[in-house]
Amino acid sequence: DIQLTQSPSFLSASVGDRVTITCRASQGISSYLAWYQQKPGKAPKLLIYAASTLQSGVPSRFSGSGSGTEFTLTISSLQPEDFATYYCQQLNSYPPLTFGGGTKVEIK
Amino acid sequence: EVQLVQSGAEVKKPGESLKISCKGSGYSFTSYWIGWVRQMPGKGLEWMGIIYPGDSDTRYSPSFQGQVTISADKSISTAYLQWSSLKASDTAMYYCARMYSSKVKYFDYWGQGTLVTVSS
Repeated sequence: DIQLTQSPSFLSASVGDRVTITCRASQGISSYLAWYQQKPGKAPKLLIYAASTLQSGVPSRFSGSGSGTEFTLTISSLQPEDFATYYCQQLNSYPPLTFGGGTKVEIK
Repeated sequence: EVQLVQSGAEVKKPGESLKISCKGSGYSFTSYWIGWVRQMPGKGLEWMGIIYPGDSDTRYSPSFQGQVTISADKSISTAYLQWSSLKASDTAMYYCARMYSSKVKYFDYWGQGTLVTVSS
């Protein structure tokens, strides 16, 4: 199975900060990586797919990059509504379609 | 409008059986995979398995193989997740999600979640 390691697992930041979350795969997954945002009590929401393609309706302050084994999600200027938990997911090889452990972004 | 609507919360005792549902609408139900994801209290997302309602092709995560059964009834655009004998450790929120699968893959629409509580 492909393992995904997200870092950091917890991040404290202020409104307006630039935030970067990393997702490392245990083996190459090309660009088959998606990022999701989950707020408490809500279902996950797709932000980015194919490592760097912004899902329709998602603000442009979100961006993704990477291929192979190392990927990043960047929020260029953190907004109050961005405080949430973020997950990466590999969709290269299944089963299983592994998720990363999550990164919780909290207000500083 | 694409929607996945899941069945309501359940409270069960250990050893009981359970089948929860996920009804798709607003798209061709037989043309997209439907996956199931577990989220235990305060924990992250775990991918359980996936089904293609068009031909019922089903794949399970090794962690869930033999523990649950995924099925679908394409005549009513509904996917199911079932247990034959629940354990306390099955207490979790369960989400269904539609997988777009072409040159790229992603889960683009999610159900609202079904909370399953297993307690004696």
